[in-house]
Amino acid sequence: DAGVIQSPRHEVTEMGQEVTLRCKPISGHNSLFWYRQTMMRGLELLIYFNNNVPIDDSGMPEDRFSAKMPNASFSTLKIQPSEPRDSAVYFCASSMTSGNEQFFGPGTRLTVL
Amino acid sequence: GENVEQHPSTLSVQEGDSAVIKCTYSDSASNYFPWYKQELGKRPQLIIDIRSNVGEKKDQRIAVTLNKTAKHFSLHITETQPEDSAVYFCAASIGSNYKLTFGKGTLLTVNP
Repeated sequence: DAGVIQSPRHEVTEMGQEVTLRCKPISGHNSLFWYRQTMMRGLELLIYFNNNVPIDDSGMPEDRFSAKMPNASFSTLKIQPSEPRDSAVYFCASSMTSGNEQFFGPGTRLTVL
Repeated sequence: GENVEQHPSTLSVQEGDSAVIKCTYSDSASNYFPWYKQELGKRPQLIIDIRSNVGEKKDQRIAVTLNKTAKHFSLHITETQPEDSAVYFCAASIGSNYKLTFGKGTLLTVNP
C-alpha cells in the first residue's frame, strides 16, 4: 500500500489566489482528517470525515476554508482567497473506523506570499 | 472540548540516558492515548498507544504509563540514541469519534 497520498507537496502562491490541496486516503480506511501544523499553534485538526460525511468542522478557521470528500478515495481542502497567515504544512490522515491509529500523509507545505 | 497539555517543550539528554515526556488531559471520557514521533520535515508517525483499560504498555525501549485518576500519561524512552531525536506529540481521544486532540509537542535532542 502506498499510504496516504497528498498533492501537491509544495505550493507557493500569492495572496488572494485559490489553493486546492488533495488527499487520497489508504484504501479501506473510512475516516479522513485534515490537519494544519504551524510553529505557533502546533498540530490542529481542521475537519474530519467518516464514510465521506463531514463529522466535525469546528476547527476550520473561517469561511475561506472548505473541504469535500466526494468519494471514499479522494478529498480536497480549498482556501479561497488565500492569505499569508494560511502558510503552514497541511497534513491529511486516514484511519479505519474499527481502530484509532491515524496514518498521516507526507503533507503539503503551503506558502502564501 | 478536550485540552491536552504537554511538558516539557524541549528536552536535551545524553545518549544512553532516559527521557520522560508528560501530558495531561481534561476530558475524563477520553480513552485512547497515542504518541507520535515527527522527524524534521517528515510526517507524524505512531510509536505507541495506550487505552484507558491499561495502566502501562511497553515496546522495547519505549513505554507509556496512564493514570486515569490524575488524568495524565507519560512517555518513557530508555537508553536513548541519536536517532530518537525528534518532536514527540501526545494526543487524546474519545474512542467513539476518533477525533484526536494533540499536545503542543516536545523537541527531544539526544546528544552523542
